[in-house]
Amino acid sequence: QQPVQSPQAVILREGEDAVINCSSSKALYSVHWYRQKHGEAPVFLMILLKGGEQKGHEKISASFNEKKQQSSLYLTASQLSYSGTYFCGTELMYSGGGADGLTFGKGTHLIIQP
Amino acid sequence: DGGITQSPKYLFRKEGQNVTLSCEQNLNHDAMYWYRQDPGQGLRLIYYSQIVNDFQKGDIAEGYSVSREKKESFPLTVTSAQKNPTAFYLCASSIDPSGREGYNEQFFGPGTRLTVL
Repeated sequence: QQPVQSPQAVILREGEDAVINCSSSKALYSVHWYRQKHGEAPVFLMILLKGGEQKGHEKISASFNEKKQQSSLYLTASQLSYSGTYFCGTELMYSGGGADGLTFGKGTHLIIQP
Repeated sequence: DGGITQSPKYLFRKEGQNVTLSCEQNLNHDAMYWYRQDPGQGLRLIYYSQIVNDFQKGDIAEGYSVSREKKESFPLTVTSAQKNPTAFYLCASSIDPSGREGYNEQFFGPGTRLTVL
């Protein structure tokens, strides 16, 4: 069950905010967020495990709703370095975090202009 | 420095040939994964291994094979049975989450770009 990411693409000016959503039709065990620059490997941002959880570092934070079917990534006061493609990777509830691999969304392309 | 290495970075092969992609990690992670990425798409799971000498099929295992003879190594063979092998291949690893409350971050290698001529 591939999670659905929205929007597909976002163009922002430096300093503007963005929200990227990741939705699943089934309850999730966890949500992982990654950023990928063109031609490079994805870089881990954060993982959310508990319903209602919110996490963040610097100006990038994320939430996981109580039903554990939706997560949102928040980018505040965006910088040029935030450009890239953001992916959410999910584990279904039955997997129990047993290292079974992630199912990724198709990604959200974020372009930050000066 | 600890990390995951993949080689080669670029690989070209002729149709009908098998090719093996290397993945090595020195993070002492138990679990290792192979993903395939096509242009404009997310990552799709090919195979994964939670422990040495054991591995499981992912969502798109047909035409691929793996082995896990050592904890630090998880090579992927793309066989001639794979109909459309041209893609970006990413290897990842994670610590077995047992006893760690389920937080199971995956760390990725730099990837191998395979092109079939």
